Amino acid sequence: GENVEQHPSTLSVQEGDSAVIKCTYSDSASNYFPWYKQELGKGPQLIIDIRSNVGEKKDQRIAVTLNKTAKHFSLHITETQPEDSAVYFCAAPSGYALNFGKGTSLLVTP
Amino acid sequence: DAGVTQSPTHLIKTRGQQVTLRCSPKSGHDTVSWYQQALGQGPQFIFQYYEEEERQRGNFPDRFSGHQFPNYSSELNVNALLLGDSALYLCASSDRTSLIFGPGTRLTVT
Repeated sequence: GENVEQHPSTLSVQEGDSAVIKCTYSDSASNYFPWYKQELGKGPQLIIDIRSNVGEKKDQRIAVTLNKTAKHFSLHITETQPEDSAVYFCAAPSGYALNFGKGTSLLVTP
Repeated sequence: DAGVTQSPTHLIKTRGQQVTLRCSPKSGHDTVSWYQQALGQGPQFIFQYYEEEERQRGNFPDRFSGHQFPNYSSELNVNALLLGDSALYLCASSDRTSLIFGPGTRLTVT
């Protein structure tokens, strides 16, 4: 099955700085890569996703890049704000399921 | 649109008991998946229901079972509860694009 590795496990940045979270996957046939944000006491919220026919996708301050050759994809958050503080998960498909990374706890300090 | 709803929010059970969790998918979604999220971990896939049938199952024992109703809502049943079953149980619904999570049910087994 698909194996997803996520780094770093924790990340602390100052408000206004950029944050980057990286994930690798094992199944070269995977073609869909979502990112979820989970705040304390809530379910994961889909924030951006990318399909294998593109290399980059942006949505305001958030972007995802995909390198299919190297089998890794990254989440980029620019101009971070305190409300970006949360746990972020990457995922890759395994049949009809999603396999998730172990998460990155992002802390944005004012 | 209420999105994905789950009940109850919290639940405390004793080891050996049985529990039923409920989920209503987002309007327009016909597929329901269940995930277990232990503290500090990413969600782990339990199973997915489509057209009232279990379409794919993750690495969970037969104590975990489910059902999908004609209105697409779903139940997750866990028998013979173990202390290790304590977790956040997430329901997610999808159409043919993205997976949307509900807020989860926090199950504590004592």
